[in-house]
Formats: sequence, C-alpha cells, structure tokens
Amino acid sequence: SAVISQKPSRDICQRGTSLTIQCQVDSQVTMMFWYRQQPGQSLTLIATANQGSEATYESGFVIDKFPISRPNLTFSTLTVSNMSPEDSSIYLCSVALSTGGGQPQHFGDGTRLSIL
Amino acid sequence: EDQVTQSPEALRLQEGESSSLNCSYTVSGLRGLFWYRQDPGKGPEFLFTLYSAGEEKEKERLKATLTKKESFLHITAPKPEDSATYLCAVQENFGNEKLTFGTGTRLTIIP
Repeated sequence: SAVISQKPSRDICQRGTSLTIQCQVDSQVTMMFWYRQQPGQSLTLIATANQGSEATYESGFVIDKFPISRPNLTFSTLTVSNMSPEDSSIYLCSVALSTGGGQPQHFGDGTRLSIL
Repeated sequence: EDQVTQSPEALRLQEGESSSLNCSYTVSGLRGLFWYRQDPGKGPEFLFTLYSAGEEKEKERLKATLTKKESFLHITAPKPEDSATYLCAVQENFGNEKLTFGTGTRLTIIP
C-alpha cells in the first residue's frame, strides 16, 4: 500500500474563485488519478496524471476548469477554477503502485469542497 | 460505456446476521473488478481484486465472488465495525487505467 496525503482536507470557497488541491505520496508512482465524488453519486474519474506528460481528461472534464500539474513521481495538484456551487464535492487523489492494468488504486482521504 | 450497479443501496443487519451485497456490471472486456470499503470522511480502502469468472477472495468475514455479469460480497457473521459503504469498481481491458464505480451499498450492523 501507500500513504497518500491530501491538502486541504476541506474548504469553503466563494464562487468565482479557484482552489488548488495537493496530493503527496510516500513512494514514487507512475500513475496518479483525480476523482470527484458528488453527494449520492459514484466516484467519477476527472483525469489521469502521468509525470512528464500532459494529463489525460475524461469526457466532460476540461483542462481550463481542472488544470493538473505532476512535477515529479510523488506529487500532483488539481486546481478547481472559477468555482460555482455545482463544484461542491469531494475530490480524491489515487495512485496505482504498478502499471500494466488490473492493479488496484489506493486513495487519499479526499478534499471536501463547499462553494457558497 | 461501462456500467456498474450496486444493490441494495442500503442494508441494515443485526450483528451476526450474514448477507450479500451485489455488483452487476457491463463492460466490453473485464480487466479487473475491485471492491473497496469507505468509512465516513475517509477515502476508499482497497479490499479485493477479482480477474475472472469463478474467482473468489476472502478476508476475515468478507468473501468476494465473480461471475461474467456480477460480483457478490458475502459478509459472514458481521460485527458493528463492518459498518461502512462498500464500493464496487470495474476496469476494462482496453484503454487507460480508469475505474468505473458503482454508487455503493451503505451497510449498517446493529449491535
């Protein structure tokens, strides 16, 4: 397993502002992922972040709204830009400890974001 | 498009009362099916991976099974500390490492 730390754990923000969420892993990993968990809904993948390349976004998510950085093998950030109340959600970072498919992902405890 | 449906949405059991949670899935080719446990205020905690029909995995009071269309998480003689939301996710054979999750079953074990 891995220890995955997210900051902040929660925040309350004003609409129109942006927030950057950090994800730190205690070991080097190739693949990091960002998910959103809206109330009563399933976890939905926002994007996959590989070190040294541009993030790959899922349908319905765009880079202008959710820019991602992956500067090294232990760290990533997700920014939620120009926030609206619809962005109120839990944002979760996950990692795969090995590549090749069929490997479980391990999750941080998430960032609980409320937009006023 | 991959689909994962979990049932029931919520389940209340007396301590010691065994039951099963269901995860039905539709995927073009299954690379893996994953079970997670999620406690309030926490991220999902990995429990099992199943790769092919007929496979079974066990951990303490939990046993996961897999068919070509669904997976079951059997809970035997549960204890209050087994109370949590149990999530099922699938990964398809082609493309990226994306996990497609169900909405989960919220399990409550009453002492």
